[in-house]
Amino acid sequence: AQSVSQHNHHVILSEAASLELGCNYSYGGTVNLFWYVQYPGQHLQLLLKYFSGDPLVKGIKGFEAEFIKSKFSFNLRKPSVQWSDTAEYFCAVKVYNNNDMRFGAGTRLTVKP
Amino acid sequence: KAGVTQTPRYLIKTRGQQVTLSCSPISGHRSVSWYQQTPGQGLQFLFEYFSETQRNKGNFPGRFSGRQFSNSRSEMNVSTLELGDSALYLCASSLAVPGLEGYTFGSGTRLTVV
Repeated sequence: AQSVSQHNHHVILSEAASLELGCNYSYGGTVNLFWYVQYPGQHLQLLLKYFSGDPLVKGIKGFEAEFIKSKFSFNLRKPSVQWSDTAEYFCAVKVYNNNDMRFGAGTRLTVKP
Repeated sequence: KAGVTQTPRYLIKTRGQQVTLSCSPISGHRSVSWYQQTPGQGLQFLFEYFSETQRNKGNFPGRFSGRQFSNSRSEMNVSTLELGDSALYLCASSLAVPGLEGYTFGSGTRLTVV
């Protein structure tokens, strides 16, 4: 079945540690890829997106993600996390010419001060 | 500009009842999508509306339905509520093609079924 997989359910890091959250999808064809973040008590916000071109995209707050087409992956990275990055992170895929966007189950990130 | 507005914020219903949730998209946005968010399941796609037409539907039973009005406001209805329907229901709007430029989400309606 077509799906979006986020393999890490809960990640716990100390401040200044590096972060990489995995995202894999199983949709064929052209896709648009997104990462959303949901801070505690807040609504979902767009972190970054990939449509085409340079597979390394930069988003807000120092986050970046790399699209590897051969691996159907779009992993999120940040070199040095802060306590304020504590949130839930969702990977999302929109298939070209399809009128919906599918989300992964989310990864909860806890950053210890 | 105003964001996506969902009402009510919280609802408590009993099994067997029905409920209607409302979503007002950002002005100018014509596409409205609905998601169900539960712990461990993430966001599950319910349906998407554009110009009062349902263009796509997720894998939910027929108890879940929706509609969109000419002003792009949307409602979703759940009939014969079950305990498993307890969740945060999110509405997201975009200009035309859903999510092409990224969704704008509302804060959600938290539904508790007892």
